[in-house]
Amino acid sequence: DIQMTQSPSSLSASVGDTVTITCRASQSISSSLNWYQQKPGKAPKILIYAASSLESGVPSRFSGSGAGTDFTLTISSLQPEDFATYYCQQTYSTFPEVFGQGTRLEIK
Amino acid sequence: QVQLQESGPGLVKPSETLSLTCTVSGGSISGYYWSWIRQPPGRGLEWIGYIFYSGDTNYNPSLKSRVTMSVDTSKNQFSLKLSSVTAADTAVYYCVRRWSAAGQLDYWGQGTLVTVSS
Repeated sequence: DIQMTQSPSSLSASVGDTVTITCRASQSISSSLNWYQQKPGKAPKILIYAASSLESGVPSRFSGSGAGTDFTLTISSLQPEDFATYYCQQTYSTFPEVFGQGTRLEIK
Repeated sequence: QVQLQESGPGLVKPSETLSLTCTVSGGSISGYYWSWIRQPPGRGLEWIGYIFYSGDTNYNPSLKSRVTMSVDTSKNQFSLKLSSVTAADTAVYYCVRRWSAAGQLDYWGQGTLVTVSS
């Protein structure tokens, strides 16, 4: 099965900063990578699908890139509402659609 | 606006079967994949599996021997059964719509906490 490794597991940043979260797959998954944001007590929300496509209604400060095994989520000009936990998920072929372990983004 | 709502017991005894139903409103269940995701308290997301509206399924291998998913298009519902539960199955369970192409999970239920305890 495919394993997804996110880094870092936690991150402290300030409003206005730009941050990058990385997700690495144990084998190539083409562009079959999605990113989610989850706030405490809430269901996750889709941000980016197919590695780099921005979900409708998601602010343009969120962007995704990568293909194969290495992917990044970049958040530019952090806003107070962006402090949350972020997960990647692979959806390649019929492999189990596992999530990364999550990255908690905290206010510095 | 598509909405999903989980329903089922919030407390299940060890060794018994956890049963949840997801009711879809604001859209048809036909034409889509439907997923179950769970999250143990304080931990990350775990993919349980998905079912296509036609009944085709794909389960997490680590749970496959205990999981059964089904769909009822006449009621616009889909269901999850997880047998032989233990305390490790205690989690918030989410039902979610999955897009066919990229597989992203776009509409989520609010989640329901299921506790396994005697």
